Amino acid sequence: EPEVTQTPSHQVTQMGQEVILRCVPISNHLYFYWYRQILGQKVEFLVSFYNNEISEKSEIFDDQFSVERPDGSNFTLKIRSTKLEDSAMYFCASSGTEYSNQPQHFGDGTRLSIL
Amino acid sequence: AQSVAQPEDQVNVAEGNPLTVKCTYSVSGNPYLFWYVQYPNRGLQFLLKYITGDNLVKGSYGFEAEFNKSQTSFHLKKPSALVSDSALYFCAVRDTNSGYSTLTFGKGTMLLVSP
Repeated sequence: EPEVTQTPSHQVTQMGQEVILRCVPISNHLYFYWYRQILGQKVEFLVSFYNNEISEKSEIFDDQFSVERPDGSNFTLKIRSTKLEDSAMYFCASSGTEYSNQPQHFGDGTRLSIL
Repeated sequence: AQSVAQPEDQVNVAEGNPLTVKCTYSVSGNPYLFWYVQYPNRGLQFLLKYITGDNLVKGSYGFEAEFNKSQTSFHLKKPSALVSDSALYFCAVRDTNSGYSTLTFGKGTMLLVSP
């Protein structure tokens, strides 16, 4: 069964440094998402992406964050200047169609640790 | 705004007994409802969804959920629990009025099935 893959599985970064989290969505999917889960807390929506542009973003997704689909397969989340509070699990997800009744398929996540 | 409540942090059940994990939601329009399961160090895995139609929906691994519009609930159930069902379960909702595909998650319920 096709899967969403994320790399790296664990990223350790110094505060203030830039970090890029990578995702390869399921190949025929059109909608892409980033979520985060701070340890012990619920999964929070960050951003959705369709047709090479952001379709929705949450309050968490401020100017420090950006997303990109640099080629036909990768979908990246960049945090420009990391803060301690950015430490979390970051999940990428994709869905096949524009219809909001379709489930999103999640990767296994990248654990981001900011020191 | 859409929201989800999972009132129980943890549910304990003996193997072979029925299990219920509770979820209530709030939306302005009609809901699309989802259950996901998260095993340790893994991403969220889709279990089942309610879009329209029959209030009882069946999903993966013998799980089912009952949509109750008057009580705004979507409780997850299984007639006979397995030790391997032990995991973190998330309920999620999408508001059909929102025009977006964003999922809002509950905080999660840890299910522990004892042998």
